[in-house]
Amino acid sequence: SQTIHQWPATLVQPVGSPLSLECTVEGTSNPNLYWYRQAAGRGLQLLFYSVGIGQISSEVPQNLSASRPQDRQFILSSKKLLLSDSGFYLCAWRGGPGSPLHFGNGTRLTVT
Amino acid sequence: GIQVEQSPPDLILQEGANSTLRCNFSDSVNNLQWFHQNPWGQLINLFYIPSGTKQNGRLSATTVATERYSLLYISSSQTTDSGVYFCAVDNTGTASKLTFGTGTRLQVTL
Repeated sequence: SQTIHQWPATLVQPVGSPLSLECTVEGTSNPNLYWYRQAAGRGLQLLFYSVGIGQISSEVPQNLSASRPQDRQFILSSKKLLLSDSGFYLCAWRGGPGSPLHFGNGTRLTVT
Repeated sequence: GIQVEQSPPDLILQEGANSTLRCNFSDSVNNLQWFHQNPWGQLINLFYIPSGTKQNGRLSATTVATERYSLLYISSSQTTDSGVYFCAVDNTGTASKLTFGTGTRLQVTL
């Protein structure tokens, strides 16, 4: 069966520090991969999605970037964190059109 | 882009009561999902239902695609049903980008 792993679960970082959040999927190949952010406990905003290795689409201009170095690995990064980057970050995957989206357990990021 | 509205925004139920949550969307869709976010933040996929009716235990969902709405029914509610329920839709084809509603926050009390 397919599983999605996301880490770390919680993270506290100072303003101006770098960020790297990792997400991996097991049990499937060539998944569509997504990063969402949730602020204030409601409403998910799509940040990035990828339909294949090296293919990244950005939905919202911001201080973050994403990369997909391997088929089942999706990384969210920042060179310098801002206070406004605080939030709950969720990685998700799906098998393609006509299949449901599945989420990881999320990373709660606090920028201080 | 497509707009998704959920109602009611907040709902308080006594254990054992039934409820109906509604999701309206502004355009035709090729994917619609209902999620439950528990108090720990985990998003659980409840239904993948771009059209028709599905049931899973005490939960069922109906999507009327021609009228652009979906309903989630919760029967005999339990305290473990508490959390936020999200409807999410997609009409972008192969990219499969889900747009989320703002959610219905449900609290089930004893």
